[in-house]
Amino acid sequence: ELKVEQNPLFLSMQEGKNYTIYCNYSTTSDRLYWYRQDPGKSLESLFVLLSNGAVKQEGRLMASLDTKARLSTLHITAAVHDLSATYFCAVVPMDSNYQLIWGAGTKLIIKP
Amino acid sequence: DAGITQSPRYKITETGRQVTLMCHQTWSHSYMFWYRQDLGHGLRLIYYSAAADITDKGEVPDGYVVSRSKTENFPLTLESATRSQTSVYFCASSERGATGNTIYFGEGSWLTVV
Repeated sequence: ELKVEQNPLFLSMQEGKNYTIYCNYSTTSDRLYWYRQDPGKSLESLFVLLSNGAVKQEGRLMASLDTKARLSTLHITAAVHDLSATYFCAVVPMDSNYQLIWGAGTKLIIKP
Repeated sequence: DAGITQSPRYKITETGRQVTLMCHQTWSHSYMFWYRQDLGHGLRLIYYSAAADITDKGEVPDGYVVSRSKTENFPLTLESATRSQTSVYFCASSERGATGNTIYFGEGSWLTVV
């Protein structure tokens, strides 16, 4: 069964702290997406990671991919309130050109 | 830059009624997708289309019908709505399916079946 597991599913943290969201998946893949969703809104693309060892950074967010461990991480540095949202990872199985397997999402609340 | 638009954004319908959710994209992307989002499930693929007149089932296609006569439009029809189809529906598009640089999502259609 193709599975993508995110943890934690819920995270409440203080501004200024660092934290990491984990995305584990069960299938062979070399392509993984991270998306952000604000309440009641659409999904916004953050990163697409295309190969083993890929690392991408945008502002306080940094994503990495370890295809051997089947693990991606989304690291938040010195969190600010504006980063409060739900974050999803989605994995593309190696033999597919259309399918994304989605994690359940991590709801992140950053308190001032 | 209109992007990808969905209509209606909000809909309440009765069990057994037919409902059509519209999706229109202005980029001429080849691929279009319909997902549903339910609490605790992430997103699940209902149907996708690789090009005009080419559609295929995703993970949860039962109870839904799609068509794609034009590249820019991808309507989703619930032939006889059931309460279990209460959900948020997202349309998406991309140039190269899941192997492109990103997949763009519409604003979502909130559907309640009573």
